[in-house]
Amino acid sequence: EAGVAQSPRYKIIEKRQSVAFWCNPISGHATLYWYQQILGQGPKLLIQFQNNGVVDDSQLPKDRFSAERLKGVDSTLKIQPAKLEDSAVYLCASSQLVGRTSTGELFFGEGSRLTVL
Amino acid sequence: GQQVMQIPQYQHVQEGEDFTTYCNSSTTLSNIQWYKQRPGGHPVFLIQLVKSGEVKKQKRLTFQFGEAKKNSSLHITATQTTDVGTYFCALARFQKLVFGTGTRLLVSP
Repeated sequence: EAGVAQSPRYKIIEKRQSVAFWCNPISGHATLYWYQQILGQGPKLLIQFQNNGVVDDSQLPKDRFSAERLKGVDSTLKIQPAKLEDSAVYLCASSQLVGRTSTGELFFGEGSRLTVL
Repeated sequence: GQQVMQIPQYQHVQEGEDFTTYCNSSTTLSNIQWYKQRPGGHPVFLIQLVKSGEVKKQKRLTFQFGEAKKNSSLHITATQTTDVGTYFCALARFQKLVFGTGTRLLVSP
């Protein structure tokens, strides 16, 4: 079974530039997550999709970050304009839809490492 | 942003010693998950605990869920160098999963 695919693996940009990350979840997984992981910290949820609807985007800096999951499959996360503090690994994860009270196992991609200069 | 404290933040042990990390929440949880992240890698699922007071074992790893479903622990017996990495708890409240701050484990041979 193919895992969660992410690209690019690495990206270096200057502040105020824009960047986009792509994620293809495991086939059949209804829930897709984007996490931001700053070096030495735990993953922080940015946005959670269930099929093509947003479940939670309360911690997404909406003035500069946007995400979409068209057709309920793959997803893109965009940052525009980037700031120095956006330097982090952006992790995409997916899980099966388990139910109202149970969160399934998350399968993570390799991540996209962003460096903002 | 909302994060959950794990203790300790860091532990360095000699191979063969035991290791324990603790995770605490102020609210009752639906379930709790544990992940391991190797240096330079991505988090990998270890286990999920759902029931109050639940104890699960995976070889040298023992996972516990508190009776009040507000805390959890991961204990590793006789650590090996392959146990090196950061261990995260992830607290589930319905379908939202919040990761803890992690405990970084270093094992010296």
